[in-house]
Amino acid sequence: DAGITQSPRHKVTETGTPVTLRCHQTENHRYMYWYRQDPGHGLRLIHYSYGVKDTDKGEVSDGYSVSRSKTEDFLLTLESATSSQTSVYFCAISPTSVQETQYFGPGTRLLVL
Amino acid sequence: GQQLNQSPQSMFIQEGEDVSMNCTSSSIFNTWLWYKQDPGEGPVLLIALYKAGELTSNGRLTAQFGITRKDSFLNISASIPSDVGIYFCAGQLVGGGADGLTFGKGTHLIIQP
Repeated sequence: DAGITQSPRHKVTETGTPVTLRCHQTENHRYMYWYRQDPGHGLRLIHYSYGVKDTDKGEVSDGYSVSRSKTEDFLLTLESATSSQTSVYFCAISPTSVQETQYFGPGTRLLVL
Repeated sequence: GQQLNQSPQSMFIQEGEDVSMNCTSSSIFNTWLWYKQDPGEGPVLLIALYKAGELTSNGRLTAQFGITRKDSFLNISASIPSDVGIYFCAGQLVGGGADGLTFGKGTHLIIQP
């Protein structure tokens, strides 16, 4: 298994509070991704990073921000959590963007009350 | 984002049966990936395909990159109870960059006792 960990694995929070999810990798891969997975929608890309301090928006980026200050860590922040952000969040990593192969972390289950 | 058409949505089979699922698109891909996801876990990469016509096996699993580059299939032979789960296809479009993969919505495999 690729060395990817996510923390926390489970979180319950209240509407309006900020939340930060962490993805940590030990593979030294350049590319990192945050997805959310919801019934009926499958996996949707929130943000991705193509290097330290280099990030870009994905398909469903509204309400989310990211930061990558080190190769191994990619943080996802919900500035002010809403109930619509209740989801399972997955981090993924890839060594290349050409014929990319993404490896996923175990996921974080977030419930916003 | 664009979705891949993955079918069937679900399969109810008997232990020992062979399984076949596929993904199709109107667009051309340069990479096809097949993942399996167990409940409460992240997707795990099963097979990666990088060339049109490529046929790759991983134990009882076989996947092929369609010759037109618009489709891929995954076969599982002699299914066993631990094959239960959701299988996802994912592809990287030709010209796709670091924002990477397009995902199918998954095939739920259920093995009836």
